[in-house]
Amino acid sequence: EAQVTQNPRYLITVTGKKLTVTCSQNMNHEYMSWYRQDPGLGLRQIYYSMNVEVTDKGDVPEGYKVSRKEKRNFPLILESPSPNQTSLYFCASSLGQPSPLHFGNGTRLTVT
Amino acid sequence: DQQVKQNSPSLSVQEGRISILNCDYTNSMFDYFLWYKKYPAEGPTFLISISSIKDKNEDGRFTVFLNKSAKHLSLHIVPSQPGDSAVYFCAASARGNQFYFGTGTSLTVIP
Repeated sequence: EAQVTQNPRYLITVTGKKLTVTCSQNMNHEYMSWYRQDPGLGLRQIYYSMNVEVTDKGDVPEGYKVSRKEKRNFPLILESPSPNQTSLYFCASSLGQPSPLHFGNGTRLTVT
Repeated sequence: DQQVKQNSPSLSVQEGRISILNCDYTNSMFDYFLWYKKYPAEGPTFLISISSIKDKNEDGRFTVFLNKSAKHLSLHIVPSQPGDSAVYFCAASARGNQFYFGTGTSLTVIP
């Protein structure tokens, strides 16, 4: 089944403790991206990647890192999480140029 | 600054009637527009898209209209069904790089 898989689905952590949210797609998509969803703000893009080893900042990249070493994986790294990063995170992928995004089921992160 | 806006947070419609969801954008460079549907505890699901060279695109019960001069996008659902109750997001992109999403409209279809 074609899908975007995020792990974990739920994560509670403390301020400053590094964490990684994984994202993997099995559709051979060139384009991958990360979004956060907050009440009243919709979905905001954090980072995106047009291809392997190519990443770019979205609208809200502060406090996040990403890497794209392989086509199928696009992990989101929070080196020192803070409470304002408590949010619902979505990974998405697409064929690119342009085509619809396919989303994972989300990761609910709480930073205390 | 929000480049894609959905000014109606919620909409209620009777089953069988038409649902019209609206979206406005500010960036004239946007050339690709999409609508997504989202249920609780799931990721957004792609519904329909339109490129800026068209003004209408249909897929079954769903039709998207694009008015470039007004920078306005709308999604029509006819007839509306209870299973259509969800949050709908519009999105826009310039050359398929960054995607910008609206804040969503919660649609309730009343049986």
